[in-house]
Amino acid sequence: AQSVTQPDIHITVSEGASLELRCNYSYGATPYLFWYVQSPGQGLQLLLKYFSGDTLVQGIKGFEAEFKRSQSSFNLRKPSVHWSDAAEYFCAVGASGGSYIPTFGRGTSLIVHP
Amino acid sequence: DAGVIQSPRHEVTEMGQEVTLRCKPISGHDYLFWYRQTMMRGLELLIYFNNNVPIDDSGMPEDRFSAKMPNASFSTLKIQPSEPRDSAVYFCASSYQDSLANYGYTFGSGTRLTVV
Repeated sequence: AQSVTQPDIHITVSEGASLELRCNYSYGATPYLFWYVQSPGQGLQLLLKYFSGDTLVQGIKGFEAEFKRSQSSFNLRKPSVHWSDAAEYFCAVGASGGSYIPTFGRGTSLIVHP
Repeated sequence: DAGVIQSPRHEVTEMGQEVTLRCKPISGHDYLFWYRQTMMRGLELLIYFNNNVPIDDSGMPEDRFSAKMPNASFSTLKIQPSEPRDSAVYFCASSYQDSLANYGYTFGSGTRLTVV
Protein backbone atom coordinates (compact mmCIF):
# COMPACT_ATOMS: atom_id res chain seq x y z
CA ALA A 1 0.00 0.00 0.00
CA GLN A 2 1.14 3.50 -0.69
CA SER A 3 1.77 6.15 1.94
CA VAL A 4 2.82 9.77 2.02
CA THR A 5 4.57 11.88 4.63
CA GLN A 6 4.55 15.62 4.93
CA PRO A 7 7.15 16.29 7.63
CA ASP A 8 6.22 19.91 8.25
CA ILE A 9 2.95 20.63 10.03
CA HIS A 10 3.38 24.41 9.74
CA ILE A 11 5.55 26.57 7.52
CA THR A 12 5.86 30.33 7.97
CA VAL A 13 7.28 32.55 5.24
CA SER A 14 7.33 36.25 4.50
CA GLU A 15 5.42 37.54 1.52
CA GLY A 16 7.71 37.61 -1.50
CA ALA A 17 9.97 34.88 -0.15
CA SER A 18 10.44 31.53 -1.85
CA LEU A 19 8.62 28.44 -0.63
CA GLU A 20 9.31 24.73 -0.55
CA LEU A 21 6.89 22.23 0.99
CA ARG A 22 8.21 18.73 1.49
CA CYS A 23 6.52 15.48 0.55
CA ASN A 24 7.92 11.96 0.75
CA TYR A 25 6.07 8.92 -0.50
CA SER A 26 6.28 5.19 -0.23
CA TYR A 27 5.20 3.05 -3.17
CA GLY A 28 6.78 0.09 -4.90
CA ALA A 29 6.35 1.28 -8.47
CA THR A 30 6.14 4.62 -10.22
CA PRO A 31 3.48 6.54 -8.33
CA TYR A 32 0.96 9.08 -9.38
CA LEU A 33 1.62 12.19 -7.31
CA PHE A 34 -0.60 15.16 -6.58
CA TRP A 35 -0.57 18.41 -4.66
CA TYR A 36 -3.84 19.90 -3.47
CA VAL A 37 -4.55 23.20 -1.73
CA GLN A 38 -7.33 23.83 0.75
CA SER A 39 -8.37 27.38 1.56
CA PRO A 40 -10.24 27.97 4.82
CA GLY A 41 -13.78 26.63 4.68
CA GLN A 42 -13.27 25.13 1.25
CA GLY A 43 -12.70 21.75 -0.30
CA LEU A 44 -9.41 20.67 -1.80
CA GLN A 45 -8.33 22.00 -5.19
CA LEU A 46 -5.81 20.27 -7.44
CA LEU A 47 -2.63 22.30 -7.89
CA LEU A 48 -0.62 19.92 -10.02
CA LYS A 49 0.08 16.26 -10.72
CA TYR A 50 2.82 13.95 -11.90
CA PHE A 51 2.28 10.71 -13.78
CA SER A 52 5.27 10.31 -16.07
CA GLY A 53 7.67 12.22 -18.28
CA ASP A 54 9.27 15.47 -17.25
CA THR A 55 9.99 15.30 -13.54
CA LEU A 56 9.42 19.02 -13.09
CA VAL A 57 5.72 19.77 -13.36
CA GLN A 58 4.03 23.12 -13.48
CA GLY A 59 0.73 23.81 -11.81
CA ILE A 60 -1.75 26.57 -11.25
CA LYS A 61 -1.08 29.73 -9.25
CA GLY A 62 2.64 29.70 -10.09
CA PHE A 63 3.44 26.47 -8.24
CA GLU A 64 5.75 23.74 -9.45
CA ALA A 65 6.88 20.41 -8.07
CA GLU A 66 9.77 18.11 -8.82
CA PHE A 67 9.62 14.32 -8.71
CA LYS A 68 12.85 12.79 -7.43
CA ARG A 69 12.68 9.02 -7.57
CA SER A 70 16.00 8.54 -5.77
CA GLN A 71 14.70 10.49 -2.80
CA SER A 72 11.07 9.34 -3.03
CA SER A 73 10.11 12.98 -2.90
CA PHE A 74 7.73 15.35 -4.63
CA ASN A 75 8.37 18.76 -3.13
CA LEU A 76 6.22 21.75 -3.96
CA ARG A 77 7.86 25.09 -4.72
CA LYS A 78 6.99 28.66 -5.49
CA PRO A 79 9.57 31.37 -6.15
CA SER A 80 7.62 34.23 -4.56
CA VAL A 81 4.78 33.70 -2.13
CA HIS A 82 1.72 35.93 -2.03
CA TRP A 83 -0.44 36.51 1.05
CA SER A 84 -3.28 34.72 -0.74
CA ASP A 85 -1.22 31.52 -0.79
CA ALA A 86 -1.87 31.04 2.92
CA ALA A 87 -3.74 27.73 3.08
CA GLU A 88 -3.37 24.04 3.86
CA TYR A 89 -1.41 22.01 1.32
CA PHE A 90 -1.83 18.29 0.84
CA CYS A 91 0.41 15.89 -1.00
CA ALA A 92 -1.18 12.69 -2.27
CA VAL A 93 0.11 9.49 -3.86
CA GLY A 94 -1.88 7.15 -6.06
CA ALA A 95 -1.16 3.64 -7.22
CA SER A 96 -0.22 3.70 -10.88
CA GLY A 97 -1.19 0.10 -11.36
CA GLY A 98 -4.53 0.32 -9.70
CA SER A 99 -7.53 2.53 -9.48
CA TYR A 100 -5.50 5.72 -8.89
CA ILE A 101 -7.34 6.34 -5.63
CA PRO A 102 -4.86 8.58 -3.82
CA THR A 103 -3.71 8.47 -0.23
CA PHE A 104 -3.35 11.93 1.30
CA GLY A 105 -0.68 13.24 3.62
CA ARG A 106 -1.56 15.04 6.85
CA GLY A 107 -1.10 18.42 5.26
CA THR A 108 1.17 21.43 5.79
CA SER A 109 -0.29 24.71 6.93
CA LEU A 110 1.32 27.69 5.20
CA ILE A 111 1.36 30.97 7.07
CA VAL A 112 2.38 34.08 5.16
CA HIS A 113 3.66 37.14 7.03
CA PRO A 114 3.31 40.56 5.38
CA ASP B 1 -21.12 23.50 -13.88
CA ALA B 2 -22.01 24.01 -10.22
CA GLY B 3 -19.36 21.62 -8.97
CA VAL B 4 -19.88 19.09 -6.22
CA ILE B 5 -22.67 20.28 -3.94
CA GLN B 6 -22.85 19.27 -0.32
CA SER B 7 -25.56 20.01 2.19
CA PRO B 8 -25.84 21.19 4.83
CA ARG B 9 -22.68 23.32 5.18
CA HIS B 10 -22.92 23.15 8.95
CA GLU B 11 -24.74 20.73 11.20
CA VAL B 12 -24.96 20.82 14.96
CA THR B 13 -26.71 17.91 16.60
CA GLU B 14 -27.04 16.26 19.97
CA MET B 15 -25.37 13.00 20.79
CA GLY B 16 -27.57 10.06 19.88
CA GLN B 17 -29.37 11.81 17.07
CA GLU B 18 -29.31 10.64 13.45
CA VAL B 19 -27.37 12.79 11.03
CA THR B 20 -27.64 12.69 7.24
CA LEU B 21 -25.15 14.40 5.00
CA ARG B 22 -25.91 14.88 1.33
CA CYS B 23 -23.87 15.14 -1.82
CA LYS B 24 -24.65 15.89 -5.44
CA PRO B 25 -21.70 14.97 -7.69
CA ILE B 26 -20.82 16.62 -10.96
CA SER B 27 -23.00 15.38 -13.76
CA GLY B 28 -21.26 12.66 -15.76
CA HIS B 29 -18.85 11.68 -13.00
CA ASP B 30 -18.97 7.97 -12.21
CA TYR B 31 -16.85 7.97 -9.04
CA LEU B 32 -17.97 9.42 -5.74
CA PHE B 33 -15.92 9.58 -2.56
CA TRP B 34 -16.68 10.42 1.06
CA TYR B 35 -13.84 11.75 3.20
CA ARG B 36 -13.62 12.82 6.82
CA GLN B 37 -11.16 15.46 7.98
CA THR B 38 -10.08 15.95 11.57
CA MET B 39 -7.09 17.55 13.21
CA MET B 40 -6.10 14.27 14.79
CA ARG B 41 -6.38 11.95 11.80
CA GLY B 42 -6.14 14.23 8.79
CA LEU B 43 -8.09 13.35 5.66
CA GLU B 44 -9.52 9.84 5.73
CA LEU B 45 -11.27 8.04 2.89
CA LEU B 46 -14.48 6.55 4.28
CA ILE B 47 -16.04 4.95 1.22
CA TYR B 48 -16.19 5.31 -2.51
CA PHE B 49 -18.66 4.37 -5.22
CA ASN B 50 -18.26 3.58 -8.89
CA ASN B 51 -21.38 3.75 -11.03
CA ASN B 52 -23.46 3.98 -7.83
CA VAL B 53 -22.01 0.75 -6.44
CA PRO B 54 -19.95 0.83 -3.22
CA ILE B 55 -16.47 -0.39 -4.08
CA ASP B 56 -14.51 0.03 -0.86
CA ASP B 57 -16.03 0.83 2.51
CA SER B 58 -13.08 -0.28 4.59
CA GLY B 59 -12.62 3.26 5.87
CA MET B 60 -16.07 3.45 7.44
CA PRO B 61 -15.27 3.63 11.15
CA GLU B 62 -18.09 1.46 12.47
CA ASP B 63 -21.61 0.25 11.93
CA ARG B 64 -23.05 3.58 12.98
CA PHE B 65 -21.92 4.91 9.61
CA SER B 66 -23.67 4.04 6.38
CA ALA B 67 -23.58 5.48 2.88
CA LYS B 68 -25.86 5.10 -0.09
CA MET B 69 -25.93 6.20 -3.68
CA PRO B 70 -29.42 5.53 -5.03
CA ASN B 71 -28.65 7.19 -8.36
CA ALA B 72 -25.86 8.90 -10.25
CA SER B 73 -26.75 12.35 -8.97
CA PHE B 74 -27.14 11.82 -5.23
CA SER B 75 -25.42 10.22 -2.28
CA THR B 76 -25.94 10.27 1.46
CA LEU B 77 -23.73 9.56 4.44
CA LYS B 78 -25.68 8.71 7.56
CA ILE B 79 -24.52 8.47 11.15
CA GLN B 80 -26.88 6.80 13.60
CA PRO B 81 -26.53 7.31 16.50
CA SER B 82 -24.09 10.22 16.39
CA GLU B 83 -21.34 10.67 18.99
CA PRO B 84 -19.15 13.66 19.88
CA ARG B 85 -16.09 11.94 18.35
CA ASP B 86 -17.86 12.07 14.98
CA SER B 87 -17.38 15.84 14.94
CA ALA B 88 -15.38 16.61 11.80
CA VAL B 89 -15.60 18.08 8.34
CA TYR B 90 -17.03 15.59 5.86
CA PHE B 91 -16.10 16.03 2.23
CA CYS B 92 -17.63 14.55 -0.85
CA ALA B 93 -15.63 14.36 -4.07
CA SER B 94 -16.40 13.10 -7.53
CA SER B 95 -14.48 12.17 -10.64
CA TYR B 96 -14.65 10.01 -13.73
CA GLN B 97 -12.27 7.25 -14.68
CA ASP B 98 -10.10 9.17 -17.10
CA SER B 99 -10.24 12.23 -14.93
CA LEU B 100 -8.89 10.34 -11.95
CA ALA B 101 -5.69 9.81 -13.84
CA ASN B 102 -5.56 13.25 -15.37
CA TYR B 103 -7.42 15.72 -13.23
CA GLY B 104 -7.81 14.19 -9.81
CA TYR B 105 -10.94 14.82 -7.85
CA THR B 106 -13.34 17.68 -7.61
CA PHE B 107 -14.17 18.29 -3.97
CA GLY B 108 -17.26 19.81 -2.46
CA SER B 109 -16.97 22.53 0.17
CA GLY B 110 -17.67 20.09 2.98
CA THR B 111 -20.13 19.71 5.84
CA ARG B 112 -18.87 20.73 9.26
CA LEU B 113 -20.52 18.40 11.76
CA THR B 114 -20.55 19.17 15.46
CA VAL B 115 -22.03 16.61 17.83
CA VAL B 116 -22.63 17.96 21.33
